[in-house]
Amino acid sequence: DIQMTQSPSSLSASVGDRVTITCRASQDINIFLAWYQVKPGKPPKHLIYAASTLQSGVPSRFSGSGSGTDFTLTISSLQPEDVATYYCQKYNNALLTFGGGTKVEIK
Amino acid sequence: QVQLVQSGAEVKKPGSSVKVSCKASGATFNYYTISWVRQAPGLGLEWMGRIIPVLGTTDYAQTLQGRVTIIADKSTSTVYMELSTLRSEDTAVYYCARSIVDGAGFYFDYWGQGTLVTVSS
Repeated sequence: DIQMTQSPSSLSASVGDRVTITCRASQDINIFLAWYQVKPGKPPKHLIYAASTLQSGVPSRFSGSGSGTDFTLTISSLQPEDVATYYCQKYNNALLTFGGGTKVEIK
Repeated sequence: QVQLVQSGAEVKKPGSSVKVSCKASGATFNYYTISWVRQAPGLGLEWMGRIIPVLGTTDYAQTLQGRVTIIADKSTSTVYMELSTLRSEDTAVYYCARSIVDGAGFYFDYWGQGTLVTVSS
């Protein structure tokens, strides 16, 4: 089974900072990667699919990149409403796997 | 706009079963694939399985094979997830989500509000 490893597991940054989250797959998954934002008490919100395509309505400060085994989610200018846990999900086949999550907080 | 509305919170005894519903509206139900994803307290997201309502076909996560059943009622645009032989580790928030097929896999664009299932003696 392909494992998805996210780093860091948590981070603290100031409003306006550029934030980068990494997701690494244990095998090549092409660009079949999605990102989600999860806030306490709320359902997950889909941000990105196909590694870099922004879901409609998602603020442009969010972006994704990567292919193969290494992927990143970037928030270009961190806002207070971005406090959440972020998960990657690989979907190169029907064996769906999520990463362990990255908790983002405001310093 | 797709809407997925789930049934309310449940408290169950170990060894019993729970059935959670997910009613869809806003788009043609038969063209969806609906998945179930759960999140235990303090832990990450876990995909449980999916159904293609128009075909009635299902796929389940290997870790839950034999304990989870997903069915669809096309007449009411409702999907049900039943989990049997409950244990304390099944305490979690359960979500239904519309699955978008891309290549050989799928991701999730619209989510239900979540249903808390608590397993406790």
